[in-house]
Amino acid sequence: GENVEQHPSTLSVQEGDSAVIKCTYSDSASNYFPWYKQELGKGPQLIIDIRSNVGEKKDQRIAVTLNKTAKHFSLHITETQPEDSAVYFCAASMNSGNTPLVFGKGTRLSVIA
Amino acid sequence: GAVVSQHPSWVICKSGTSVKIECRSLDFQATTMFWYRQFPKQSLMLMATSNEGSKATYEQGVEKDKFLINHASLTLSTLTVTSAHPEDSSFYICSATGTLVEKLFFGSGTQLSVL
Repeated sequence: GENVEQHPSTLSVQEGDSAVIKCTYSDSASNYFPWYKQELGKGPQLIIDIRSNVGEKKDQRIAVTLNKTAKHFSLHITETQPEDSAVYFCAASMNSGNTPLVFGKGTRLSVIA
Repeated sequence: GAVVSQHPSWVICKSGTSVKIECRSLDFQATTMFWYRQFPKQSLMLMATSNEGSKATYEQGVEKDKFLINHASLTLSTLTVTSAHPEDSSFYICSATGTLVEKLFFGSGTQLSVL
C-alpha cells in the first residue's frame, strides 16, 4: 500500500521567512496530493491540493510542487506569519477524496515573531 | 470549502458506557465518510470507511463491534464507541466527500476522555 514520508517533523522560522515541507510517496498510482493545516484541538483544514496532471499550484502565500518522477511533493509558505504556526500534514490518494488518504506524520511549524 | 460539522467537540464518560459522535455534511451530499483517530502529537489513523447505505469497511485492527458506524443518509454518519474504556480515549475526527465535491473535508474533531 501507499506510504507517505514527511520531513521535517518540526520547523521553526522567523516571521517573514519562507517555510518548506517535503513529502515523498511510494505508490506511483497516487494522483491526488492535498495539504492540511491542523491547529491544536481542531480538525485538519484543507489549505491546498494538487493533482498529478499539474506540476505546481499557488494560492497567495502558499504553493505546492509535485515531481511525479521522483514521487515527491512540497509545500511552500512565503512571508510566514505567527498565525501560520500549526501542524501541517501532507497526504496522498489514488482518486481525489473518494479513496482514503494516507497521511504523512506531520510537521509542527512554529513562526517566531 | 464544504462544511462538515462534528458533535460533540468533547465528551467525558465513565468506563463501560457508550458514546455517540455525529458527523454532518452541511452543504453537500456526502457519499463517503471516513473516521479517523488521532493520538497526541501523532498523525491521523484511518479507522473505517463508510458509504451511504452500506456497511462500513474497517481497517485492520479496528474492532467493528466496538466502533459502530452508521451512514444512513447522505448528510449524517455516526460513530458509537461501545463499552468505552480508558484506552479508547483519543481525538476522533470524521471526514466527508461526495461526487460533486471530490475533496476531503474534515469535521472539527471530538476529544473523548474515558474515566
